[in-house]
Amino acid sequence: QVQLQESGPGLVKPSETLSLTCTVSGGSISNNYWNWIRQPPGKGLEWIGYMYYSGSTNYNPSLKSRVTISVDTSKNQFSLKLNSVTAADTAVYYCARTPYGGSYMDVWGKGTTVTVSS
Amino acid sequence: QTVVTQEPSFSVSPGGTVTLTCGLSSGSVSTTYYPSWYQQTPGQAPRTLIYNTNTRSSGVPDRFSGSILGNKAALTITGAQADDESDYYCVLYMGRGFWVFGGGTKLTVL
Repeated sequence: QVQLQESGPGLVKPSETLSLTCTVSGGSISNNYWNWIRQPPGKGLEWIGYMYYSGSTNYNPSLKSRVTISVDTSKNQFSLKLNSVTAADTAVYYCARTPYGGSYMDVWGKGTTVTVSS
Repeated sequence: QTVVTQEPSFSVSPGGTVTLTCGLSSGSVSTTYYPSWYQQTPGQAPRTLIYNTNTRSSGVPDRFSGSILGNKAALTITGAQADDESDYYCVLYMGRGFWVFGGGTKLTVL
């Protein structure tokens, strides 16, 4: 059974870069799409972007200028970088899988909280 | 800017039936948006309930069902139970690898 685990710093300073990693266990990172989704405190979910294991990506237009998602197939991991962060980027960040040929998220990580503050 | 609309809140009595909807700020939701539904309780990650409009995810009780009602996607809970009290999010696939989440519906069972 595939499991996802987010990891990374819980505190990032304003204007710096938020970096998170999602480790895929119990299955291969190949042949699936891998998403990042976030949830600010007390608010709803927001899709950030996804990457196909081969490296192709697509991002939410509202974040596109600041987001990079990359994959390391040798480690079965994919990563999120969000630059020039502000307090508005404070959120719980989730990674999630979209199965190949699917149009939904079927496996979710538990989420990791990132706070942007000096 | 595409906005996916959901009722902010809803309440249902235990044992009752409730239908939550998912619409578009402009236009109609159809199966071509592959609507999916997720349940989230406080402090927990979302759980996938329904995908491709009406396919239940593995392990989801059959009291949860999805459909298209009029110009919206719908999630119906039949025989609501106390532990169905959660936030429910719909997601629409906009094509070309782009998803939009609705704002979520907070369901109260009382």
